[in-house]
Amino acid sequence: GAGVSQTPSNKVTEKGKYVELRCDPISGHTALYWYRQSLGQGPEFLIYFQGTGAADDSGLPNDRFFAVRPEGSVSTLKIQRTERGDSAVYLCASSPSGLAGSYNEQFFGPGTRLTVL
Amino acid sequence: KNQVEQSPQSLIILEGKNCTLQCNYTVSPFSNLRWYKQDTGRGPVSLTIMTFSENTKSNGRYTATLDADTKQSSLHITASQLSDSASYICVVSEAGANSKLTFGKGITLSVRP
Repeated sequence: GAGVSQTPSNKVTEKGKYVELRCDPISGHTALYWYRQSLGQGPEFLIYFQGTGAADDSGLPNDRFFAVRPEGSVSTLKIQRTERGDSAVYLCASSPSGLAGSYNEQFFGPGTRLTVL
Repeated sequence: KNQVEQSPQSLIILEGKNCTLQCNYTVSPFSNLRWYKQDTGRGPVSLTIMTFSENTKSNGRYTATLDADTKQSSLHITASQLSDSASYICVVSEAGANSKLTFGKGITLSVRP
């Protein structure tokens, strides 16, 4: 079956521009996660959705970052006034459930490589 | 602050050899520990998941161990293959409503012919 897909695979933008990154989770998965991975580092948590609502957005670095999931499926990560330090791979993951006590197996997409010039 | 430390940072081995990757963590309260394999340019793929009551779990040539008392885990790869070349990431999940994951930086494994 189809896994998690992310578009675009690569995005090059100029400092100060606005970008949107899209994630299509596995069908039926209620939990969706965004992570940011810098070169040579492990992924860092940004935000977690349970259904349509952001259950935990404590990882968003500042108010330039925002994410939505209006219908509980596709999610968009939005970055305003991009800075060179935003350059990284942005990973999306989905899981059947984000409930406590479960294994909460997360299935990752291939990521979007964002480069801010 | 919850942390996951992995060692070594990178490793080069010859095809057919075994290797062991290490992980120490300070995540609390602990729920489970996972090892992921991440090929270059791809998202991480889960290899094993262990709760505190499990001290070993295998997935083919991959065997993970967990010592919840000392907060250490290892991933042993047997009879390595060229396709094992990747980054191996140790990930610890907090117990709680959001099951937040803390990722290590990963260990870069290169298997040479």
